[in-house]
Amino acid sequence: QKEVEQNSGPLSVPEGAIASLNCTYSDRGSQSFFWYRQYSGKSPELIMFIYSNGDKEDGRFTAQLNKASQYVSLLIRDSQPSDSATYLCAAKTSYDKVIFGPGTSLSVIP
Amino acid sequence: KAGVTQTPRYLIKTRGQQVTLSCSPISGHRSVSWYQQTPGQGLQFLFEYFSETQRNKGNFPGRFSGRQFSNSRSEMNVSTLELGDSALYLCASSLVASGAQHTIYFGEGSWLTVV
Repeated sequence: QKEVEQNSGPLSVPEGAIASLNCTYSDRGSQSFFWYRQYSGKSPELIMFIYSNGDKEDGRFTAQLNKASQYVSLLIRDSQPSDSATYLCAAKTSYDKVIFGPGTSLSVIP
Repeated sequence: KAGVTQTPRYLIKTRGQQVTLSCSPISGHRSVSWYQQTPGQGLQFLFEYFSETQRNKGNFPGRFSGRQFSNSRSEMNVSTLELGDSALYLCASSLVASGAQHTIYFGEGSWLTVV
């Protein structure tokens, strides 16, 4: 079992819709979670992080964490073509490593 | 504030050679992590350094090594290069190396091609 799992996609949504990206993790002791966006040929850039159960909102982005279910999600409201990228979920595990999932490719169709 | 700086950005090496990649973290950051990214394996953790000490290591062979200097700059070295080492090597820095504030920020990466 991989430590951090994501659906590889591609996930396609129409412009203006909500994109929902999901992530599960295996280490129950994981402390914090991150979402990164990576455009083709570029390095990952941090979108947001979440430490506590519940929702955390930042502009059009909302991260949701459920530690009991070992589940993290990212919602992107009012999706724009510029949001088309690969989204990487990462978990800081109980042994202090930041481990990344394989990423979900998102395509926002104009 | 300058971001994470990696050099060189692009390089081509021959099988059997060795390569050294350099990373300068964000000013004030003391932790540096290295990752390898390939299309098939995604982002794989190589190692992390904090205050010149290796804190964590991924599942890579001993050909992959690194170090950190007193100014927090880091280098990684790959010896006896193989074709499969062709990848984007990403350096990331963070203010701390543990705790909830351990948020990492990536440099632009070094693209290594082994022929």
